[in-house]
Amino acid sequence: GQNIDQPTEMTATEGAIVQINCTYQTSGFNGLFWYQQHAGEAPTFLSYNVLDGLEEKGRFSSFLSRSKGYSYLLLKELQMKDSASYLCACMDSNYQLIWGAGTKLIIKP
Amino acid sequence: GAVVSQHPSWVICKSGTSVKIECRSLDFQATTMFWYRQFPKQSLMLMATSNEGSKATYEQGVEKDKFLINHASLTLSTLTVTSAHPEDSSFYICSARGDRERYTEAFFGQGTRLTVV
Repeated sequence: GQNIDQPTEMTATEGAIVQINCTYQTSGFNGLFWYQQHAGEAPTFLSYNVLDGLEEKGRFSSFLSRSKGYSYLLLKELQMKDSASYLCACMDSNYQLIWGAGTKLIIKP
Repeated sequence: GAVVSQHPSWVICKSGTSVKIECRSLDFQATTMFWYRQFPKQSLMLMATSNEGSKATYEQGVEKDKFLINHASLTLSTLTVTSAHPEDSSFYICSARGDRERYTEAFFGQGTRLTVV
C-alpha cells in the first residue's frame, strides 16, 4: 500500500534550526511536496522535489533521496510565525497526491 | 502561483438542509479538482477527485449521494452536502490542478468551515 510517515509534533526554539523528516512508499513517484498549514487555513505550497538533492528557498530548504524514499524540510532562523503544521505529500504514478498526517511544529521563545 | 477561490469561507446551516460550496480556478483551466475534508488536528482526507465533464471518483467510505460533486466547466467545481447533519461539520478544502506538465503542484482554495446545528 501507499504510506507517508512524518512525526506528529516537534518543538523548537525561536532562532534555531529544525528538520522535519518524511518517509514514503508509493506506487510510482512523480515528486514530493511540502505544504505549510496554519490552524484554520488551507495549506500553502512550500516546495517541490522530483530529483535527488537539496532545494533551497530562503529560510526553507527541502531535500529528497528517491533511493531511500526519504525527504526532509529544513527551517532555519525560526520565527514564531513558523508555528504551523507541515504536510508532506507524494505524487504517485497516477499524479495523485498522497498526504502525510502532518507535523505540528511548535516554536517557543 | 495560480489562484483558486473557494466560497463561502464559512457557513452555518440547520440539520437536514443542503449546502453548496463552490471552487473556482481564476487564472488557469483546472482539468482536475480535488475535494478534501479536514477535522480538527487531523490531516487532509481526500473525499473525491473530479475531472471536467466526467463523474467524480469518490474515495472509499465517502457517500456519493450525500456529497454531490459537479465539475461542469474547466474553472468551476461544486460540492453539495445534502441533508447535512452535525457530524458533517468540518473544514472542506478544494484544490485544483491544470495540465499536469505545467501545474504539478495543487493549488488550494481558502477552505470552507461548515457548522451544522
